[in-house]
Amino acid sequence: GAGVSQSPSNKVTEKGKDVELRCDPISGHTALYWYRQSLGQGLEFLIYFQGNSAPDKSGLPSDRFSAERTGGSVSTLTIQRTQQEDSAVYLCASSLGAGGRITDTQYFGPGTRLTVL
Amino acid sequence: AQSVAQPEDQVNVAEGNPLTVKCTYSVSGNPYLFWYVQYPNRGLQFLLKYITGDNLVKGSYGFEAEFNKSQTSFHLKKPSALVSDSALYFCAVRAGFQKLVFGTGTRLLVSP
Repeated sequence: GAGVSQSPSNKVTEKGKDVELRCDPISGHTALYWYRQSLGQGLEFLIYFQGNSAPDKSGLPSDRFSAERTGGSVSTLTIQRTQQEDSAVYLCASSLGAGGRITDTQYFGPGTRLTVL
Repeated sequence: AQSVAQPEDQVNVAEGNPLTVKCTYSVSGNPYLFWYVQYPNRGLQFLLKYITGDNLVKGSYGFEAEFNKSQTSFHLKKPSALVSDSALYFCAVRAGFQKLVFGTGTRLLVSP
């Protein structure tokens, strides 16, 4: 079946602009995750959605970052007033998540490469 | 806090030789450990995971990993390396329901 998809694959923006990154999880997966991959920080967790529960936002680096998940499926990560340090690859993952199983495998999308000029 | 360490930034091996990519972990409670591979300009691909049971875990593309509780290690192995195995490899540990904590990655270079 189809894997996790993300769009756009590449995004170049100017400092101070807002950007939206989209993630379509694997069909039937109730858990969705956002991570950021950058040269200086490696792979870091941003936010976690489980079904209709309130998201875990503990990894968001600042209040310029927000995310929503509509209808328990598609998710959008929004970065407001982008800064150069926001340049990174943003990865989305999903897992079955039924019952919040800690052993579930997370399957990753191809990522969105964000460049802030 | 849960963490993993990958002590080698890069591993070089000749095609046909066995390869090992090292990972050690530090956890409170049961360790749930994962290996992922990343090819250039691609996302992370799942290789294998250790949850419980057999210490030797078999995964995709002929890879396997050995869980060693006494040494707190979870090394990735393959009996015979291919040039196409050249990529970036990440070890990760599950930290609660919400996230994976990743190592810094090890670049594997397999020479013909």
